[in-house]
Amino acid sequence: QVQLQESGPGLVKPSETLSLTCTVSGGSIVGSFWTWVRQPPGEGLEWIGHIYTGGSTNYNPSLKSRVTISTDVSKNEVSLRLRSVTAADTAVYYCAGRGVAWYFDPWGQGTLVTVSS
Amino acid sequence: EVVMTQSPATLSVSPGERATLSCRASQNVYSNLAWYQQKPGQAPRLLIYSASTRATGVPARFSGSGSGTEFTLTISSLQSEDSAVYFCQHYNNWPLTFGGGTKVEIK
Repeated sequence: QVQLQESGPGLVKPSETLSLTCTVSGGSIVGSFWTWVRQPPGEGLEWIGHIYTGGSTNYNPSLKSRVTISTDVSKNEVSLRLRSVTAADTAVYYCAGRGVAWYFDPWGQGTLVTVSS
Repeated sequence: EVVMTQSPATLSVSPGERATLSCRASQNVYSNLAWYQQKPGQAPRLLIYSASTRATGVPARFSGSGSGTEFTLTISSLQSEDSAVYFCQHYNNWPLTFGGGTKVEIK
């Protein structure tokens, strides 16, 4: 079965760029949609955006100006870049696959990113 | 943007009793609704999609109902392992949004 694993720095300085990678195992990322979702500590879930390995992307308008999601098919990876971060971007970041429609399954275990100087 | 409102914020239920969780959408999302369970320190787990279809491996005590703007997740006979936060999510249009969650506690 498909498994997802997020990785990246756990601490990012304000105004810098947050960069995370989601490594997919147990299946190819080709021909599928991949999503990033985040969750500030003790809070709810926020959809960040998604990518189709054919290249199309869709981002949450609240983050669109700062977000880029990309794929590396050769590495079976999905990446997230969030520019100009502030403390409000501190969250657990999850990558997830898409079901038949726009619900999410499976999920990675998530990675906590703290924005602090 | 569709605002998803869940109630109550916290629900305390005795083992074996029924738990009823509500999710309201600010506009019609038809049956484009999913429910997730999240335990402390874990990622969300898909329970229900299309408002009422159980995901693979989800016990039959979990059921979803509703359409349009009013949805319900029912746990028919609460087990200790059901202690978690439950989120609803619509997928009718963009952006996709989640409810704030209902925490289910075992009394």
